[in-house]
Amino acid sequence: DAKTTQPPSMDCAEGRAANLPCNHSTISGNEYVYWYRQIHSQGPQYIIHGLKNNETNEMASLIITEDRKSSTLILPHATLRDTAVYYCIVSGNQFYFGTGTSLTVIP
Amino acid sequence: NAGVMQNPRHLVRRRGQEARLRCSPMKGHSHVYWYRQLPEEGLKFMVYLQKENIIDESGMPKERFSAEFPKEGPSILRIQQVVRGDSAAYFCASSPSGMHTEAFFGQGTRLTVV
Repeated sequence: DAKTTQPPSMDCAEGRAANLPCNHSTISGNEYVYWYRQIHSQGPQYIIHGLKNNETNEMASLIITEDRKSSTLILPHATLRDTAVYYCIVSGNQFYFGTGTSLTVIP
Repeated sequence: NAGVMQNPRHLVRRRGQEARLRCSPMKGHSHVYWYRQLPEEGLKFMVYLQKENIIDESGMPKERFSAEFPKEGPSILRIQQVVRGDSAAYFCASSPSGMHTEAFFGQGTRLTVV
């Protein structure tokens, strides 16, 4: 079973930063934090992943706390197309999805 | 580089028939994962395969379901004697290695059992 806790839903105004939290208090030393999103019924889309350092790519930033027990995905300028279910996954070898956070970007 | 290809995209089967779902991983990827998503629910892990080997099948139902990833050709998820409860979206993902790399998902096969 997934070992993460996420709020079930969040709203964000278009153009503002969306900050999606995730708790993973039982993460072990060799497990990475991954974020995926699923738009409507499409296949999940990879966003970003990290071990302990903060990471940034063209889609998002990932902030991992020093104790690695939680992380935040940041979408710097949310658009309507970012409306999706966002999954935080802690993985050593396989990906176990929880229920995710349903993010709605509001015009 | 084509993405993960799943076919068919939609499959309708009558109860008791067999369903065969195919997944061609991205070029260079030797690790394949299958997931099932019931309506209004999250993705549930089913099985993880690496060329010709099943690495983890802890999410596979004990009966009627099987998966393979032969040396040549796509990975196949096979469901025998389908029942209405098998109706779901089945997603396949592939990765270049099993550890600490991102997985890329296909668009899924929507199975409807009538």
